[in-house]
Amino acid sequence: GENVEQHPSTLSVQEGDSAVIKCTYSDSASNYFPWYKQELGKRPQLIIDIRSNVGEKKDQRIAVTLNKTAKHFSLHITETQPEDSAVYFCAPRGRGKLQFGAGTQVVVTP
Amino acid sequence: NAGVTQTPKFQVLKTGQSMTLQCAQDMNHNSMYWYRQDPGMGLRLIYYSASEGTTDKGEVPNGYNVSRLNKREFSLRLESAAPSQTSVYFCASSGSGGTGGFGNTIYFGEGSWLTVV
Repeated sequence: GENVEQHPSTLSVQEGDSAVIKCTYSDSASNYFPWYKQELGKRPQLIIDIRSNVGEKKDQRIAVTLNKTAKHFSLHITETQPEDSAVYFCAPRGRGKLQFGAGTQVVVTP
Repeated sequence: NAGVTQTPKFQVLKTGQSMTLQCAQDMNHNSMYWYRQDPGMGLRLIYYSASEGTTDKGEVPNGYNVSRLNKREFSLRLESAAPSQTSVYFCASSGSGGTGGFGNTIYFGEGSWLTVV
C-alpha cells in the first residue's frame, strides 16, 4: 500500500508570510495529488489538486508543485491570512488503498 | 444538490450498544467511503465501496460492518460499541473514472460525532 508522510506536523506563520507543506509518498504509480483543508469542527474540502502530467498548478494564493522522480508534492500558500488557519491533508492516489497524510496544523498569527 | 448527507450528527452510546450511521449522496458517484478521525489525528479509512455491490476493508475495519444498499446509500454499523470507537465519523464519495473513482475529488459529509461511554 501507499506510505504517505507530511511535514511539518505543525506550522506557525506570521500573517502575510508564506507557508509550505511537503507530502512524500511511496507508490510510483500514484497519478493524482490533491490537498484538502479542514477548518476546526468542519469537514475536509479539496482546495487544489494536480495530476501526474503537470508539474505545477496555481490558484490565486495557493499552488501545488509535483516532483514525481523524488515522489513528493508540496502545497504553497502565499500572503497568508487568518482564514488560512486550518489542518491541511495530502491524499496521493495510486494502486493501493486510499490513505490521507497525518495532516499539518497551520496557525496564522496576526 | 445536498452532496453527502449523514445521520445522526451527534450520538452517545453505552458500551455494548449497537447503532447504524446512515449516509447518502446525490451526486451519482460510484465510490463511497467511511473514515474515522480521532482528536488531533488524520483520517483513517474504515471501509470503502468502489461501486454498487462491492465493499472492501480499509485500515481500521475491526468492530464495524458496512452495507452498500444501492448506489446512493452506504451505511456503517457498530454491532457492539466500545469506548475506543469514540470518534468523528465521516462518510464520503467520489465520482467514477480511472480505477473506481479513486483518482477524483472526494466529497465529505458534515461528520457524525459519536461518544461511547
